[in-house]
Amino acid sequence: DARVTQTPRHKVTEMGQEVTMRCQPILGHNTVFWYRQTMMQGLELLAYFRNRAPLDDSGMPKDRFSAEMPDATLATLKIQPSEPRDSAVYFCASGTGGETQYFGPGTRLLVL
Amino acid sequence: RKEVEQDPGPFNVPEGATVAFNCTYSNSASQSFFWYRQDCRKEPKLLMSVYSSGNEDGRFTAQLNRASQYISLLIRDSKLSDSATYLCVASRGGSYIPTFGRGTSLIVHP
Repeated sequence: DARVTQTPRHKVTEMGQEVTMRCQPILGHNTVFWYRQTMMQGLELLAYFRNRAPLDDSGMPKDRFSAEMPDATLATLKIQPSEPRDSAVYFCASGTGGETQYFGPGTRLLVL
Repeated sequence: RKEVEQDPGPFNVPEGATVAFNCTYSNSASQSFFWYRQDCRKEPKLLMSVYSSGNEDGRFTAQLNRASQYISLLIRDSKLSDSATYLCVASRGGSYIPTFGRGTSLIVHP
């Protein structure tokens, strides 16, 4: 049963530290999404890749966030420096054309 | 105004009831629509796609009204296991950039 994997599952860090979240999309999927979910804002799209190229990152704060796909099996989301308001659940999802998405279990981030 | 809006609920219904949720979208360029289900502290999972002609999957029926720009989800014969948050999604443009609603909470009680 193919699944999207994300690491770490939980992360507690102090303000100002760098945070790196990793995602392994389902093998053969060519689209990857990064989302942030909070109680206040719901699920927000941060970045969207197709065939490893960024298609949309308009929802991502550019000053501190960056998203990359070094290869087809790895997507990363970095926050540097992290701030308490970045505390949220970060989901990665993958798909085969941008329509149906399969979500990973998420990374729960707490920035103190 | 958010691009995709849902009544947050919660909708509190007894087992066996029929319940319906609506979701409105503001971007007329939206082309694809979906319902996802999210259990507490879990990831969203696709429930069903929404087609222009409407579609049914067991106890679940989804409808799309392009003129009024809303989609709906009807759940018949509610089960306790249907308790979850239901997220609607509208995807726009040729690149299918998705926008999620904030979700509608459903609680089915005995």
